[in-house]
Amino acid sequence: EVQLVQSGAEVKKPGESLKISCKGSGYNFANYWVGWVRQMPGKGLEWMAIIHPGDSDTRYSPSFQGQVTISADKSMSTAYLQWSALKDSDTAMYYCARATSGTFSPFYSDQWGQGTLVTVSS
Amino acid sequence: DIVMTQSPDSLAVSLGERATINCKSSQSVFYSSDNKNYLAWYQQKPGQPPKLLIYWASTRESGVPDRFSGSGAGTDFTLTISSLQADDVAVYYCQQYYNTPQTFGQGTKVEIK
Repeated sequence: EVQLVQSGAEVKKPGESLKISCKGSGYNFANYWVGWVRQMPGKGLEWMAIIHPGDSDTRYSPSFQGQVTISADKSMSTAYLQWSALKDSDTAMYYCARATSGTFSPFYSDQWGQGTLVTVSS
Repeated sequence: DIVMTQSPDSLAVSLGERATINCKSSQSVFYSSDNKNYLAWYQQKPGQPPKLLIYWASTRESGVPDRFSGSGAGTDFTLTISSLQADDVAVYYCQQYYNTPQTFGQGTKVEIK
């Protein structure tokens, strides 16, 4: 069974750093893209960034470029999303998702993690 | 970035009736090289992650009931629920994967009338 299991909920203060994770199982992790999607409270889905663990090809939305860093460790079948200095506005649910792989780009997301709730508050 | 615009923002449909959601992209998401429209539809129920329903604009994901169908090409797409069931209450999103950044529509909330 294909699964993406995300790390648990986090409560942080503004200015703190954070790294959340997404562990894949049941498939060859290196062969599929893994992306991150933000959902702020009561709002829609926002595509943030994506990485191909096999060759580390990485793409960012301009809205999130420089704000977060995506990475992956294919030996651990795990993708990460990290912040160096959190803001109140980073409070949201973050989903990881597996995307099927085109020749040069990711396609649709067929498997999703359960979500990691990040709360940033002083 | 390609902007995805859904309509309506919400709709209320009686059980057993048809629900139709539209999605328009700011540029074509059709690749002539493979004759495919790079458009997906997702369903998100409260407290759950999104679930893939449709990809390549009209291909139903395995296990998705056949009352869900996708159509359209180029810049205009439609998700149709042919006979609404109580379990279909959710927010529905379209997404283009023609290029990165991939982008979602704002979502359409479907409720029971």
